[in-house]
Amino acid sequence: DAKTTQPTSMDCAEGRAANLPCNHSTISGNEYVYWYRQIHSQGPQYIIHGLKNNETNEMASLIITEDRKSSTLILPHATLRDTAVYYCIVRVFRGYGQNFVFGPGTRLSVLP
Amino acid sequence: NAGVTQTPKFRILKIGQSMTLQCTQDMNHNYMYWYRQDPGMGLKLIYYSVGAGITDKGEVPNGYNVSRSTTEDFPLRLELAAPSQTSVYFCASTTLPGVDSPLHFGNGTRLTVT
Repeated sequence: DAKTTQPTSMDCAEGRAANLPCNHSTISGNEYVYWYRQIHSQGPQYIIHGLKNNETNEMASLIITEDRKSSTLILPHATLRDTAVYYCIVRVFRGYGQNFVFGPGTRLSVLP
Repeated sequence: NAGVTQTPKFRILKIGQSMTLQCTQDMNHNYMYWYRQDPGMGLKLIYYSVGAGITDKGEVPNGYNVSRSTTEDFPLRLELAAPSQTSVYFCASTTLPGVDSPLHFGNGTRLTVT
């Protein structure tokens, strides 16, 4: 199964861009990269996902390297409310089950 | 639009007691999941279901049972509660077919077993 590696924690100044890296060197060609975040103990919140191309939505941008072995989530103008644990996930296929495998994530602290 | 709804939000059980954690979704999703999250840790998959009548074990299924009689509901049963089952439990769902569909999570059930 494709595993992901993320830094344990990061800090970012309010108003600056937050760049969260993720390594997924064993990703297969048809596996998507997903990003979620979890604020306090709420349910994880979907942010963005991609396969090969860079993606952007109203929350963030996702940059995937050409070899697909790593990606970066970019929060363009971080606010205090973006303080959360961010999970990089590779969607794993097991038969007809489509499972998401969560690692420990990156704890992002946005500082005033 | 309710999404994924979990009940109860909090529960305290004594060792050996049983309970059912309820999960329902109104998005007509085929895939449903139960995760547990221990303090400071990521989510671990307990069970999942790919449709009514079909369930399968995840990473940490011991001590739990599930059923899926309808598309909407996916209850998680704890038969003999143990302190090791103290955790926050999240239910999630996603649609089929396709792989580029995100998981939608409920807000969790915080369970304490003493």
